[in-house]
Amino acid sequence: DQQVKQNSPSLSVQEGRISILNCDYTNSMFDYFLWYKKYPAEGPTFLISISSIKDKNEDGRFTVFLNKSAKHLSLHIVPSQPGDSAVYFCAQGDAGGTSYGKLTFGQGTILTVHP
Amino acid sequence: GAGVSQTPSNKVTEKGKYVELRCDPISGHTALYWYRQSLGQGPEFLIYFQGTGAADDSGLPNDRFFAVRPEGSVSTLKIQRTERGDSAVYLCASSVQGGDTEAFFGQGTRLTVV
Repeated sequence: DQQVKQNSPSLSVQEGRISILNCDYTNSMFDYFLWYKKYPAEGPTFLISISSIKDKNEDGRFTVFLNKSAKHLSLHIVPSQPGDSAVYFCAQGDAGGTSYGKLTFGQGTILTVHP
Repeated sequence: GAGVSQTPSNKVTEKGKYVELRCDPISGHTALYWYRQSLGQGPEFLIYFQGTGAADDSGLPNDRFFAVRPEGSVSTLKIQRTERGDSAVYLCASSVQGGDTEAFFGQGTRLTVV
């Protein structure tokens, strides 16, 4: 069974500080992880991804860390900005072989960045 | 078009009625996905198309749900005999070819069954 869990429903941080969003997964067979950001009344927007051959991927203010032994990944946003306030979804997919990109999503974490 | 377009944005229907939700993917994208997002949950996979064929429909909850993509572009998700539990946001996504190519989501259709 493939499960992805985001155990923190919400996170509140001050502008300029670091935001850390966490995600746990159960099935190590699937080797591709993504973070999506979602604003109200919009569809999820791709933010950053990482494959299991890496343990870190960085894109500007966003860094994703993957700890395969703990089956855990995290998204770091530094520095946080009020415009980052949104719902963040962690997702797991199978990128290799006969994969077709089906994603399993976590429940989401609502991030609020205060000015 | 510039992005994935879903119509209508909102749909209110009575219990027992039939509804159709439409998705216009990004031009040239062969892979198309439907997801359903209930309140407080992440999107849940429903069905995947590669071209015209439904390659994986394992996420469809029951036989009241059906989807088509007859020309390999526009897709329609059809729900028969709607129930209040079908109320959710239905999201469509497309990607160039599936796999680890980025999937772009539409804004979703909010379905409310009263």
